[in-house]
Amino acid sequence: DAEITQSPRHKITETGRQVTLACHQTWNHNNMFWYRQDLGHGLRLIHYSYGVQDTNKGEVSDGYSVSRSNTEDLPLTLESAASSQTSVYFCASSEETRPYEQYFGPGTRLTVT
Amino acid sequence: DAKTTQPTSMDCAEGRAANLPCNHSTISGNEYVYWYRQIHSQGPQYIIHGLKNNETNEMASLIITEDRKSSTLILPHATLRDTAVYYCIVRNYGQNFVFGPGTRLSVLP
Repeated sequence: DAEITQSPRHKITETGRQVTLACHQTWNHNNMFWYRQDLGHGLRLIHYSYGVQDTNKGEVSDGYSVSRSNTEDLPLTLESAASSQTSVYFCASSEETRPYEQYFGPGTRLTVT
Repeated sequence: DAKTTQPTSMDCAEGRAANLPCNHSTISGNEYVYWYRQIHSQGPQYIIHGLKNNETNEMASLIITEDRKSSTLILPHATLRDTAVYYCIVRNYGQNFVFGPGTRLSVLP
């Protein structure tokens, strides 16, 4: 069955380290998204991509970057992790013809100490 | 995007219909109403969406008032597995989603 996976599911890192969170989908969806979810803020969009080599900033993109070299993957990189980036991160994808129906991954819980 | 207002929490008895309201009084003519839900510790899940007509699918029904200023998501026979946070989102087709705090629905046995 097609799916969307995220790895790692849990990670603890130190302030200042570079961290990359992986997102992989097997639906061949063009659209991919990264959100973070914090208590009191709901889900907030970090970056998104509408296809290979396309990336766009979302609402809270500072300190994060993404690259899209193929259809299946959209890794999220924290250039220099900060305690404020402790959060649960969700990746999602959707097809071009049904962009409103986003399929979410299981999430990655990141703790920055 | 138009803002939405939802109750913070609601309870529903198992087997009964769950009716989740959403106010979106500033919605514009080309904005759709979308519903997602998030079961504890999982990613959100798409439920249904509509523009002005009522919609039904295998998960739920969406009733939009004639003036489009409010809507109701109906889960016809709620089960314990429907316990989740339900998000009502209003946006133009093609815009990004903005998730608010949603309504925490508790289905009680």
